Amino acid sequence: ELKVEQNPLFLSMQEGKNYTIYCNYSTTSDRLYWYRQDPGKSLESLFVLLSNGAVKQEGRLMASLDTKARLSTLHITAAVHDLSATYFCAVVPYGGSQGNLIFGKGTKLSVKP
Amino acid sequence: DTEVTQTPKHLVMGMTNKKSLKCEQHMGHRAMYWYKQKAKKPPELMFVYSYEKLSINESVPSRFSPECPNSSLLNLHLHALQPEDSALYLCASSLTDRAYEQYFGPGTRLTVT
Repeated sequence: ELKVEQNPLFLSMQEGKNYTIYCNYSTTSDRLYWYRQDPGKSLESLFVLLSNGAVKQEGRLMASLDTKARLSTLHITAAVHDLSATYFCAVVPYGGSQGNLIFGKGTKLSVKP
Repeated sequence: DTEVTQTPKHLVMGMTNKKSLKCEQHMGHRAMYWYKQKAKKPPELMFVYSYEKLSINESVPSRFSPECPNSSLLNLHLHALQPEDSALYLCASSLTDRAYEQYFGPGTRLTVT
């Protein structure tokens, strides 16, 4: 059974600092997703990572995937308050369908001035 | 049209009521999903429809009854719910269940009194 672990689960950052959120998963996968969720809102798709070594960047967020290590990272550069949200990684096991999407527990990020 | 819509946005219902949640997409997607999300938890898959047929039912209690009348529309019929069913209900769709990405709707916030 696929397990997805994120850490940390809570992250309090100061504006302007850099930090990384980690997402480990337990079985082979070639599809990993990062979502953002604001309180009371739906999921916003941030990144779709489909191959080993994939790296994607959008603004102050950069995501990477190492399928051999079964690890993805979400790096935050020079954090700003607007990045405060909960971030989920989610994985589809190799050969699986979207109905097999497994979410991590989420990382609640709070960026303080 | 590149979005998934859900109605209503908020719903308060008593334990003896019958209500329905509605989800619609006009992207030509043939897979549609219902998720339940409790506060501070990741989304949990409830049902998957693929080509208008129920393909996954994650052991959801029978007080939740899904329906897919056509390829654009997904309903979730609610009857005799319990207070612990209060949650954010998210609908999502994808081109097929083997597609690379799901698109999430804005959600319905359900409160059972």
